[in-house]
Amino acid sequence: DGGITQSPKYLFRKEGQNVTLSCEQNLNHDAMYWYRQDPGQGLRLIYYSQIVNDFQKGDIAEGYSVSREKKESFPLTVTSAQKNPTAFYLCASSEMDSVVYEQYFGPGTRLTVT
Amino acid sequence: KQEVTQIPAALSVPEGENLVLNCSFTDSAIYNLQWFRQDPGKGLTSLLLIQSSQREQTSGRLNASLDKSSGRSTLYIAASQPGDSATYLCAVLYPDAGNMLTFGGGTRLMVKP
Repeated sequence: DGGITQSPKYLFRKEGQNVTLSCEQNLNHDAMYWYRQDPGQGLRLIYYSQIVNDFQKGDIAEGYSVSREKKESFPLTVTSAQKNPTAFYLCASSEMDSVVYEQYFGPGTRLTVT
Repeated sequence: KQEVTQIPAALSVPEGENLVLNCSFTDSAIYNLQWFRQDPGKGLTSLLLIQSSQREQTSGRLNASLDKSSGRSTLYIAASQPGDSATYLCAVLYPDAGNMLTFGGGTRLMVKP
């Protein structure tokens, strides 16, 4: 089955530590995205990538970094510079060469930093 | 700045009722609009996608409509069931936004048996 996997489902870290969230897709999509969701709020875009080895900042990129070395993978690193890292993180992907541009989402990773 | 608003933020209805969820957007020059369902602690499941040239889309008991001129979309759920309880999010794609979706804050729906 094609889809998006995120790991781990739950992640706990101490303040001051960097942490990397995994996102893998086997949909052969060119574009991948990272969103952050806080309780009772909609999703906000952190970073997106439309092609391998290229990525762009979203609305709330400060304190985060990404890489896109492979089409299938788009890991997100939450650095110690992110002031409020505790949140639910969602990865998504979509085709670029499409008239529909429908986005598909993974199951999410809940990060708790204490 | 383009904004998407969903009202109400929360809704509780008895089982069997037909209901309407609302989504409004400030810039009507959209490419498409997606409705998603999110269960607690889970990712988003795409329910319906309406292209800017379309007026509505239907899937089972769900019907989504789009009125670009007024900047509104509605999600109609017929004969609601307790299993419909979830948060419903609408998201708008603008043509010059690099395929980035702008999300509303969601409507949390509870259907009581």
